[in-house]
Amino acid sequence: RKEVEQDPGPFNVPEGATVAFNCTYSNSASQSFFWYRQDCRKEPKLLMSVYSSGNEDGRFTAQLNRASQYISLLIRDSKLSDSATYLCVVNVGSQGNLIFGKGTKLSVKP
Amino acid sequence: DADVTQTPRNRITKTGKRIMLECSQTKGHDRMYWYRQDPGLGLRLIYYSFDVKDINKGEISDGYSVSRQAQAKFSLSLESAIPNQTALYFCATSDPSGVGDTQYFGPGTRLTVL
Repeated sequence: RKEVEQDPGPFNVPEGATVAFNCTYSNSASQSFFWYRQDCRKEPKLLMSVYSSGNEDGRFTAQLNRASQYISLLIRDSKLSDSATYLCVVNVGSQGNLIFGKGTKLSVKP
Repeated sequence: DADVTQTPRNRITKTGKRIMLECSQTKGHDRMYWYRQDPGLGLRLIYYSFDVKDINKGEISDGYSVSRQAQAKFSLSLESAIPNQTALYFCATSDPSGVGDTQYFGPGTRLTVL
């Protein structure tokens, strides 16, 4: 089983749609969790951290289920500018090393 | 000015050549990382350094070496480049006292080995 698994997509959605991405991780000792966004040919940038209680930032909601080792990202009211690849990222220990999923590509169409 | 810079941004080289990719940061972070990204494979860690005297191998260190010249500088070398090292290379920094050790990436170096 790969350490961090994501559906590669692509997810093609119309503007205004709600879209959800899922991610599973294999290491139960994982300590912190993130969603990064990567635009084509650009560097990854932190979108949001993911907390056990769930957290929301505007149109974006992240959830963590430690028991199921599952992370999700919900995007409401999709905008054209949300088109990007979304990377699920897990920190597996105190060394600070991040394990990246391969990413889920989102394309929002007019 | 960008907090994490990489030079060169693009490089084409030939098999067997030695090449160095450089990374500089003004964030004041102790931790620095080198990753490569290949289509379909995601980001993979090559080397990382937690301070000037600390160098550690990552998942795919074979064929690469690094040097941490100062807190702000971390360079990656390919001693004898080969075509399967063609990839997009990212440098990153992090501050362990920050939220969950968030990493900040440079703009990337696109390397092609012919």
